Amino acid sequence: AQSVTQPDIHITVSEGASLELRCNYSYGATPYLFWYVQSPGQGLQLLLKYFSGDTLVQGIKGFEAEFKRSQSSFNLRKPSVHWSDAAEYFCAVGSSGTYKYIFGTGTRLKVLA
Amino acid sequence: DTGVSQNPRHKITKRGQNVTFRCDPISEHNRLYWYRQTLGQGPEFLTYFQNEAQLEKSRLLSDRFSAERPKGSFSTLEIQRTEQGDSAMYLCASSSSTVTGELFFGEGSRLTVL
Repeated sequence: AQSVTQPDIHITVSEGASLELRCNYSYGATPYLFWYVQSPGQGLQLLLKYFSGDTLVQGIKGFEAEFKRSQSSFNLRKPSVHWSDAAEYFCAVGSSGTYKYIFGTGTRLKVLA
Repeated sequence: DTGVSQNPRHKITKRGQNVTFRCDPISEHNRLYWYRQTLGQGPEFLTYFQNEAQLEKSRLLSDRFSAERPKGSFSTLEIQRTEQGDSAMYLCASSSSTVTGELFFGEGSRLTVL
């Protein structure tokens, strides 16, 4: 079955600390992988995407993610978190020719001053 | 830059009433999607249009739900005889067939069924 698992429902970090949000997927085809961020009252905004090539991808707002095929993972990282990063983060998977992206249940990030 | 626009942003209705949501995609995008997001969950796919053609409907979309995209521009999602279980955020997204993969989401329409 196709699925996306985000094992951490909530994560709390101090401002300036590093961050890693986990994402594991199960998908039959070669995956396209995405991370979206959703702030309260806002729509989802794309942070970064992986289709092929270099397995370390850079995104907006200083985020990066690494695709590890052997682990079926696509973890999101940021070296130094800012208070404005507090939001909910969603990992999603799709593939070439599909339009039915599968989203994880999200990880809510809280940033302590 | 005009993004994806959804109206109304909030709708409170009584059980059994009909509601309609509208989505205006980014103008040059020919693909339009509807997703539903309930509390504590990620978005779940409901339906997809390429231009005016509805190409896929999820089994989540019961016969009380109908979506249209006349002339391949804006789209409407109608829910008839609403039930409390329909309470959710209804998200619209659009994308371009020439740019792989990226969905642009609107801010959503939140439905509360009393």
